[in-house]
Amino acid sequence: GAVVSQHPSRVICKSGTSVKIECRSLDFQATTMFWYRQFPKQSLMLMATSNEGSKATYEQGVEKDKFLINHASLTLSTLTVTSAHPEDSSFYICSARVPTSGYANTGELFFGEGSRLTVL
Amino acid sequence: AQSVTQLDSHVSVSEGTPVLLRCNYSSSYSPSLFWYVQHPNKGLQLLLKYTSAATLVKGINGFEAEFKKSETSFHLTKPSAHMSDAAEYFCVVSDLSGGSYIPTFGRGTSLIVHP
Repeated sequence: GAVVSQHPSRVICKSGTSVKIECRSLDFQATTMFWYRQFPKQSLMLMATSNEGSKATYEQGVEKDKFLINHASLTLSTLTVTSAHPEDSSFYICSARVPTSGYANTGELFFGEGSRLTVL
Repeated sequence: AQSVTQLDSHVSVSEGTPVLLRCNYSSSYSPSLFWYVQHPNKGLQLLLKYTSAATLVKGINGFEAEFKKSETSFHLTKPSAHMSDAAEYFCVVSDLSGGSYIPTFGRGTSLIVHP
């Protein structure tokens, strides 16, 4: 199957700093990637859809100036949490669709390993 | 619009006994359905998927699920639970109701396996 790599797996930062999380598709080109946030013991909440070469589409209630998403290439999308505060502490997960006919017509997603952000 | 309901937030079984995790969905189109497993502080791994082929789908680690259109269900089963099966399980539905495949996640079911 397709491989999605997410980095860093864990990050601890001070309040007010910015943190960048990378999501890479290792063996395929991902025109679309998704960013999720997961609170403890809860399901995944879609934050935004990242499209290569264009602006991300944010879900209602997600601050686009707080969570900057850049999808500059077909294999890399980044999520930057700007001026992070303790309430931004969470588990962030990216996923990607494989745009080949075998996968694209089913909606199957491949997930990164997630990034645990702790803001002190 | 599509939706998915995982009927149990927690399921507790003894090792060696059968597992049943329930999932019901709503979709106006021919949906794709997935079960993913998540171990603590990890991403999601695909267990199995239904994409309009055979209604009984076999996945990894001995799991299987049956797509029942008349009941709008896609329950996940395993004949004999192992300790390593303890994890969070998500049922996901995806269809073209929004013009492209955007998945909708269930709330998750925590599987607890007792020795």
